[in-house]
Amino acid sequence: AQSVTQLGSHVSVSEGALVLLRCNYSSSVPPYLFWYVQYPNQGLQLLLKYTSAATLVKGINGFEAEFKKSETSFHLTKPSAHMSDAAEYFCAVSDILTGGGNKLTFGTGTQLKVEL
Amino acid sequence: KAGVTQTPRYLIKTRGQQVTLSCSPISGHRSVSWYQQTPGQGLQFLFEYFSETQRNKGNFPGRFSGRQFSNSRSEMNVSTLELGDSALYLCASSRLADHTGELFFGEGSRLTVL
Repeated sequence: AQSVTQLGSHVSVSEGALVLLRCNYSSSVPPYLFWYVQYPNQGLQLLLKYTSAATLVKGINGFEAEFKKSETSFHLTKPSAHMSDAAEYFCAVSDILTGGGNKLTFGTGTQLKVEL
Repeated sequence: KAGVTQTPRYLIKTRGQQVTLSCSPISGHRSVSWYQQTPGQGLQFLFEYFSETQRNKGNFPGRFSGRQFSNSRSEMNVSTLELGDSALYLCASSRLADHTGELFFGEGSRLTVL
């Protein structure tokens, strides 16, 4: 079964600093990978997705992620954090290979705190 | 374009009762998925419906059920509620059946079981 592991349940950065949220996947074949963000009392919003095209994926709000097969990683980065980035971030993998394209397996989430 | 709408947003039930949650997908979206979010278990897939047919089901007991109507609106039902069913239930819609996981989520229905 496909799975993702998010390292660090809480990450704190200063405003203007680099944001790095880690995600490693476990899959026997190239997966479809996603990053979603959840703001307080809201649903999830898609930040970006990797579907075996370009390995560097750009998303909304200045976020990007790089798919590294050799490291089985899909880390999320943003060069300069903003206060509005404070939220919970989820890495997810799609079950596309077994016909469940809309069935996602989520990581445990990383709470990002941005400090002045 | 209206987003995914879930009702009710908050509800409180007691053990043994049953509950029905509703989800209206984005106009034109035919796939509706349901997820349960709890602090302990995180986000877990419940089931997915496409054109009124259940396409996928997660590892939940039979007390959890759902259906989809011809207008793509979906409901999920939980019978004989247990304390552990307290959670945020998220509905997500997608235009296609295999849209590679690009889902649009509603704000959720927060269920508290006392």
